Amino acid sequence: GAGVSQTPSNKVTEKGKYVELRCDPISGHTALYWYRQSLGQGPEFLIYFQGTGAADDSGLPNDRFFAVRPEGSVSTLKIQRTERGDSAVYLCASSPDRNSPLHFGNGTRLTVT
Amino acid sequence: KNEVEQSPQNLTAQEGEFITINCSYSVGISALHWLQQHPGGGIVSLFMLSSGKKKHGRLIATINIQEKHSSLHITASHPRDSAVYICAVSGVGGGSQGNLIFGKGTKLSVKP
Repeated sequence: GAGVSQTPSNKVTEKGKYVELRCDPISGHTALYWYRQSLGQGPEFLIYFQGTGAADDSGLPNDRFFAVRPEGSVSTLKIQRTERGDSAVYLCASSPDRNSPLHFGNGTRLTVT
Repeated sequence: KNEVEQSPQNLTAQEGEFITINCSYSVGISALHWLQQHPGGGIVSLFMLSSGKKKHGRLIATINIQEKHSSLHITASHPRDSAVYICAVSGVGGGSQGNLIFGKGTKLSVKP
């Protein structure tokens, strides 16, 4: 079956611009997670959705970052006024419930120039 | 101090060797995850465990909750096992399951 799909796979934007990153989880997975991985580092947690609501957004670095999941399936991570330090691979994962292993997408590589 | 420490950082092995990657953590957790990441590729979840031992094919994961330590073993290693192996913990301090804290990974290279 289809796995977790993230689009675009690559995004290059200029400093100061707004970007949206999309995640299509596996159908029926109620839990959805966003992580960020900088070059040579392990991933870092950003936000976790259970259904439509953000159950834990403690990893969002500042108020330029926002994520939504309005219908409990597709999620969009939004970054305002991008900075060069936002350059990273943004990973999305989903799971059937909060106690099951995660299924990861291939990530969106964001480059801010 | 990192809450999740992995060792070694880099590991080179010959095909067929038995491999062990270690993970230590310093906080109470509800689950520990072993993940595999190929170069340029996505992350695959190998194991999620909260106690004891799990086996899948040539991979074995163990966890000792009292000692806050887990190991990932690969038997009869093969060049296709070459990847970065990442340990992550969840439920830290009663936090959400999705709030994973990741180790920096162990880069494994298996030579034919």
